[in-house]
Amino acid sequence: DTAVSQTPKYLVTQMGNDKSIKCEQNLGHDTMYWYKQDSKKFLKIMFSYNNKELIINETVPNRFSPKSPDKAHLNLHINSLELGDSAVYFCASSTRTDPNSPLHFGNGTRLTVT
Amino acid sequence: GENVEQHPSTLSVQEGDSAVIKCTYSDSASNYFPWYKQELGKRPQLIIDIRSNVGEKKDQRIAVTLNKTAKHFSLHITETQPEDSAVYFCAASRGFGNEKLTFGTGTRLTIIP
Repeated sequence: DTAVSQTPKYLVTQMGNDKSIKCEQNLGHDTMYWYKQDSKKFLKIMFSYNNKELIINETVPNRFSPKSPDKAHLNLHINSLELGDSAVYFCASSTRTDPNSPLHFGNGTRLTVT
Repeated sequence: GENVEQHPSTLSVQEGDSAVIKCTYSDSASNYFPWYKQELGKRPQLIIDIRSNVGEKKDQRIAVTLNKTAKHFSLHITETQPEDSAVYFCAASRGFGNEKLTFGTGTRLTIIP
């Protein structure tokens, strides 16, 4: 069973479209994240939610809107997609209050904007 | 904010030799330093971590050292094997550890058979 699962695995779309990526974790973690990995492999945090509450919001365009309906789910909606949004997006989870809880990443969603 | 620099960006070593990857960080309050391994087309996975109250930690063929004064930490892999080929990321954070990890730029390690 995949601990952190995200869908879809691949997403190809045109500029200007709106798309969503879904993420679910079954590890009982209380904190979930979205990371972006660009073509040079740089991994950068975008958002972090703890128990459905936004705790980290890095300098991400407001076209990106995360939503956490419960602590096991964190979805990412992207409006008006741009070429520069092409990247691999990783969802991750951990337990905030446990210093020994590592980040568990999902398998990633490769977004290609044409 | 935190800035993590990682070197080298690419590293090739003969199978059986050792590999060393180095990182420096800027925020003296950082106290948690994990290393992640990402195989081609796969997700990053934690391989080892160290906290600021420890200078060195080992797990079989991998070890991490931390120099708080100089604000740098290193990953050492001994007796390298082909399956060690991957991209390795260092990271740093303060407080609750994973809450806001800043990653280094990655090192692509290639083991030459």
